[in-house]
Amino acid sequence: KNEVEQSPQNLTAQEGEFITINCSYSVGISALHWLQQHPGGGIVSLFMLSSGKKKHGRLIATINIQEKHSSLHITASHPRDSAVYICAVPVSGGGADGLTFGKGTHLIIQP
Amino acid sequence: DAGVTQSPTHLIKTRGQQVTLRCSPKSGHDTVSWYQQALGQGPQFIFQYYEEEERQRGNFPDRFSGHQFPNYSSELNVNALLLGDSALYLCASSLSVSNQPQHFGDGTRLSIL
Repeated sequence: KNEVEQSPQNLTAQEGEFITINCSYSVGISALHWLQQHPGGGIVSLFMLSSGKKKHGRLIATINIQEKHSSLHITASHPRDSAVYICAVPVSGGGADGLTFGKGTHLIIQP
Repeated sequence: DAGVTQSPTHLIKTRGQQVTLRCSPKSGHDTVSWYQQALGQGPQFIFQYYEEEERQRGNFPDRFSGHQFPNYSSELNVNALLLGDSALYLCASSLSVSNQPQHFGDGTRLSIL
């Protein structure tokens, strides 16, 4: 079964900084998920990607399938970006599987 | 278009009791997955239901069981509650086809005294 390693666990940065969060997984997958969780619990899907790069506003996600590695970047970070960012992959690699999650990166952006 | 709804939002139980949590998937979704999230940890996959059957299961004991109804809604049952079962329980729905995003409910916060 897939295992997910995410780094860093905690990250504090100043407003405007470029943020990078990394994710590695152990078993080949059909797609990787990046999610955001705010205090109180709600989880929102940010990206699902199986190759290359996706961009949504100031968020960019990249994946290298051969290296089993993905990164989430935030450009021009803002205090409202403060949240927990979680990487997730299918439990056994299949596209309709339940998800195995990383432990999350707790991001704080200070004004 | 309602998203994923879970009930109740909060629940307090004592050790040894049994609990049932409920989930209504997003309209059009046929697959429901359940996750347990302990404080400060990432969610852990419990199981997934599709076509009223458990399709996939994570590393959870048999005390955790579920059900899916013909309207795709789902229940999570936990028997013989332990203190360690205190967590946020998240339900996510999706389409059964490959590589579809999962849509999460706000969760049920379960506290065991």
